[in-house]
Amino acid sequence: NAGVTQTPKFRVLKTGQSMTLLCAQDMNHEYMYWYRQDPGMGLRLIHYSVGEGTTAKGEVPDGYNVSRLKKQNFLLGLESAAPSQTSVYFCASSYRASGGAAYNEQFFGPGTRLTVL
Amino acid sequence: AQSVTQLDSHVSVSEGTPVLLRCNYSSSYSPSLFWYVQHPNKGLQLLLKYTSAATLVKGINGFEAEFKKSETSFHLTKPSAHMSDAAEYFCAIHSGGYNKLIFGAGTRLAVHP
Repeated sequence: NAGVTQTPKFRVLKTGQSMTLLCAQDMNHEYMYWYRQDPGMGLRLIHYSVGEGTTAKGEVPDGYNVSRLKKQNFLLGLESAAPSQTSVYFCASSYRASGGAAYNEQFFGPGTRLTVL
Repeated sequence: AQSVTQLDSHVSVSEGTPVLLRCNYSSSYSPSLFWYVQHPNKGLQLLLKYTSAATLVKGINGFEAEFKKSETSFHLTKPSAHMSDAAEYFCAIHSGGYNKLIFGAGTRLAVHP
């Protein structure tokens, strides 16, 4: 199994350009997440999805859109990139909590390093 | 509201000496707590988790953490550091439903020969 994969690994954009980051998982996980990681701030949740066709806002959703048309894929879009969106973006996925389990761990992809000039 | 605070942004140890990475939490209910490790240019990997069972939790690579409710702490320890332990470590707390997490700011661990 490949686990969680992210495409691309690196990208440089100019202010105002758009792009889409792709996350794919082959573990049949119900839940998927997009985070951004900035120095000294840990990881912050941008958007998440609890199933195909459903998405929800996280802590820092402004400037981003997401879609989950297939269970295994979760796309993160930047419609008009800004320098403040320079960051490392991580995707994660997890099984739905069930059978009384309080939590199932998240599995992370390797990240995408985005620079906006 | 749930939150975690990692008390040190950088920790430096010599190889073979103990490691202590500190994490305090704030929670309005009984928390689930986690430590993740991130090696350079890699994704995050789960080291260990506490979910209200035993208060001393053993993880991978010789790491362990102790949940102390009276001190609202979940510190990560390892008896003897190895060069391969050099990485960034994140404490996280379960926040709400859907397995969502809130992460601390991270502690960068350096291990010197």
